[in-house]
Amino acid sequence: SYELTQPSSVSVSPGQTARITCSGDELAKKYARWFQQKPGQAPVLVIYNDSERPSGIPERFSGSSSGTTVTLTISGAQVEDEADYYCYSAADNNLGVFGTGTKVTVL
Amino acid sequence: QVQLVESGGGVVQPGRSLRLSCAASGFTFSNYDMHWVRQAPGKGLEWVAVISYDGSNKYYADSVKGRFTISRDNSKNTLYLQMNSLRADDTAVYYCAKELLDPWGQGTLVTVSS
Repeated sequence: SYELTQPSSVSVSPGQTARITCSGDELAKKYARWFQQKPGQAPVLVIYNDSERPSGIPERFSGSSSGTTVTLTISGAQVEDEADYYCYSAADNNLGVFGTGTKVTVL
Repeated sequence: QVQLVESGGGVVQPGRSLRLSCAASGFTFSNYDMHWVRQAPGKGLEWVAVISYDGSNKYYADSVKGRFTISRDNSKNTLYLQMNSLRADDTAVYYCAKELLDPWGQGTLVTVSS
């Protein structure tokens, strides 16, 4: 089955840049989305179509893609960005799959 | 504004059934595909199922295929998830989400336990 692999954790100092990768074979031909989830809350879409930012999402969130890896970048990370982050994509068979999730710590 | 409100969760014994609902408002429900996603306690997100805007196409994760059925009533702006033959590993918060997985409802907790 299709899998998306993320690092389990990323740590960053306030104001520095955090990068979270997501790897999967079908990312070379399928768009990815990124979600932020804070404790006790529903996930929120922060990036779609690999690099598009929904309205209301701060400009410090950006996305990029290269081959079978997509990357979420938080430039100038803030304490409020501390959360779990998940990538998502859909396979050719229309089944969705989430990445394994990355806990971002800002301290 | 778009609002999704799940309901129907609770405690159920293994092997029994439960039906979840997701009431949608603030957008033209019948124009959009809809998803169910779940999250077991302390675990990551798991995509469960998607239904096309008109209900004609449905796709399921392997873990629920044959046990869960996604459906919708566009006249009532409501999405459903019929869950049969429930197992302990189906215990999770179940979320509904609009087409691009944006936005999500607040979730409803399903606990499968004897």
